[in-house]
Amino acid sequence: DGGITQSPKYLFRKEGQNVTLSCEQNLNHDAMYWYRQDPGQGLRLIYYSQIVNDFQKGDIAEGYSVSREKKESFPLTVTSAQKNPTAFYLCASRRTGTYGYTFGSGTRLTVV
Amino acid sequence: GQQVMQIPQYQHVQEGEDFTTYCNSSTTLSNIQWYKQRPGGHPVFLIQLVKSGEVKKQKRLTFQFGEAKKNSSLHITATQTTDVGTYFCAGMESGASGSRLTFGEGTQLTVNP
Repeated sequence: DGGITQSPKYLFRKEGQNVTLSCEQNLNHDAMYWYRQDPGQGLRLIYYSQIVNDFQKGDIAEGYSVSREKKESFPLTVTSAQKNPTAFYLCASRRTGTYGYTFGSGTRLTVV
Repeated sequence: GQQVMQIPQYQHVQEGEDFTTYCNSSTTLSNIQWYKQRPGGHPVFLIQLVKSGEVKKQKRLTFQFGEAKKNSSLHITATQTTDVGTYFCAGMESGASGSRLTFGEGTQLTVNP
């Protein structure tokens, strides 16, 4: 079955460390997105990419970085510059010309 | 940038009662989408509305898009415990950098059996 795989499901990080969240899709979707969700809040866009080797900052890109070297993969790095990284991170994809986003099951990041 | 506001933030109903959530945008939207997120889960796409004044139904769910394309609503008739979750609206922006969704804060629905 096609879908989006995010790993790991839970991640603990020590303050001051960088960490990379994986997002892989086998849906042949062109566009991919990273959102952050805090408890009781909506989804805020971090970065998005419409095609390979190109990406744009979203509303809260500071302290994050991404790469899009392959169509299937869009990893997100949470750097030590991110002041409050503890959150639920959701990756999504969409095929050009279609409607809704397909989301992965998310990664819960906790800074300890 | 575009802002999407959603009310209420929380709604508690008895099973069988109706439920409505409202969504308002600071700008005119090209389209609006609705998602449902079950507790502990991820958002799942429900529907997209494109035309001014559009109304779409999915069984007990009715979705409306305002005439000015700046507001939308989701109405659930006779709620069931399976309707529990958070419902998000999201407005689509399209530009030179591609398309992106801006999500509202969501309405968390609990249903008492």
